[in-house]
Amino acid sequence: DTAVSQTPKYLVTQMGNDKSIKCEQNLGHDTMYWYKQDSKKFLKIMFSYNNKELIINETVPNRFSPKSPDKAHLNLHINSLELGDSAVYFCASSQAWAVREAFFGQGTRLTVV
Amino acid sequence: TQLLEQSPQFLSIQEGENLTVYCNSSSVFSSLQWYRQEPGEGPVLLVTVVTGGEVKKLKRLTFQFGDARKDSSLHITAAQPGDTGLYLCAGERSSNYQLIWGAGTKLIIKP
Repeated sequence: DTAVSQTPKYLVTQMGNDKSIKCEQNLGHDTMYWYKQDSKKFLKIMFSYNNKELIINETVPNRFSPKSPDKAHLNLHINSLELGDSAVYFCASSQAWAVREAFFGQGTRLTVV
Repeated sequence: TQLLEQSPQFLSIQEGENLTVYCNSSSVFSSLQWYRQEPGEGPVLLVTVVTGGEVKKLKRLTFQFGDARKDSSLHITAAQPGDTGLYLCAGERSSNYQLIWGAGTKLIIKP
């Protein structure tokens, strides 16, 4: 049973396109996150949601829009993709807002050409 | 500005050797976590240290949190090829529970 699953695992698309990445967790966690990992493996938090509500929105272009239809799902939609958006995007969850131990999905490798 | 510095950035050693990697900051954290990430996978939590000076052991891995809760180390005894991976540390800010991540130490253990 996959605890945090995200799809697709690989995404290759052209500049200017709009794409979505989906994430689901079956751990019953309250808090979910989106991270971006660049080519140097540096993990940067993008968004944090707690009980479907946006808590943290780091300095991320507004082309990135997260949506949480329920506690178990946090999707990421990206408009007008740019070359610099190429990275690995990780979804993660934690039991509660004050519980920092995170469980990560396998990642989505996004390549913009 | 990166708040958590990990060193070395890269380490390649032979199976059976011991090693230590470091995670340093000028900031105080309420807790610190270590993760291991393998190629094509997400990071997996290894341990959380909370108390200054705390030492935790996980088989051949020993984690220590600095007395001032600004730094941490991970020591691996008799490294094995299965220890190969990217080791990431993440410190928790007490003000807003946010995690601050280091850039990782890429460890390769050669058979």
